[in-house]
Amino acid sequence: DADVTQTPRNRITKTGKRIMLECSQTKGHDRMYWYRQDPGLGLRLIYYSFDVKDINKGEISDGYSVSRQAQAKFSLSLESAIPNQTALYFCATSGLGSLYNEQFFGPGTRLTVL
Amino acid sequence: AQSVAQPEDQVNVAEGNPLTVKCTYSVSGNPYLFWYVQYPNRGLQFLLKYITGDNLVKGSYGFEAEFNKSQTSFHLKKPSALVSDSALYFCAVFPSNTGNQFYFGTGTSLTVIP
Repeated sequence: DADVTQTPRNRITKTGKRIMLECSQTKGHDRMYWYRQDPGLGLRLIYYSFDVKDINKGEISDGYSVSRQAQAKFSLSLESAIPNQTALYFCATSGLGSLYNEQFFGPGTRLTVL
Repeated sequence: AQSVAQPEDQVNVAEGNPLTVKCTYSVSGNPYLFWYVQYPNRGLQFLLKYITGDNLVKGSYGFEAEFNKSQTSFHLKKPSALVSDSALYFCAVFPSNTGNQFYFGTGTSLTVIP
């Protein structure tokens, strides 16, 4: 979806390196999410943010941190990457109103940790 | 614990035949149920949702889904499959009484054979 962009689209890094994945959106949504997708495991929530001053851990936040720099920007960091963080990472947004409003996903970042 | 099960990793169907992608859920309270589709190298796209009301929900691209409370299921259906429907399909649930996040199934890969 062009309204939600992620950079980089692909990244190969080495164990122990710090890496940042960035997400930007032009939908004007307050809520933003980071998921990882692994084959056979589906999508799992890492962190989410309901507004600029709100950050919440998801089910698999260990080893990750986030920053909500502005309403439109939500970054995910791996402070010291490890091989089992190799996955496809998605950013998503949702609008005001019900928390269960449908989410809009970015195209994903494929991260490989060697 | 909240969970979503998609019992079939792979579904194959001939073009023109009806298709069904299965989803069952386990949540406390009433579920809000969703289907998303993921095409290759793309993020997830919203297809349809059930919040309340009529158990049969119609969505994008001719898809529909039926909420069955007694069987705790929300199967995705389409009367006549197209080759372009080939994609990865995810079921998701948002628990109404404890919810602040979605729980996704592991995904079902649908292949429509010409």
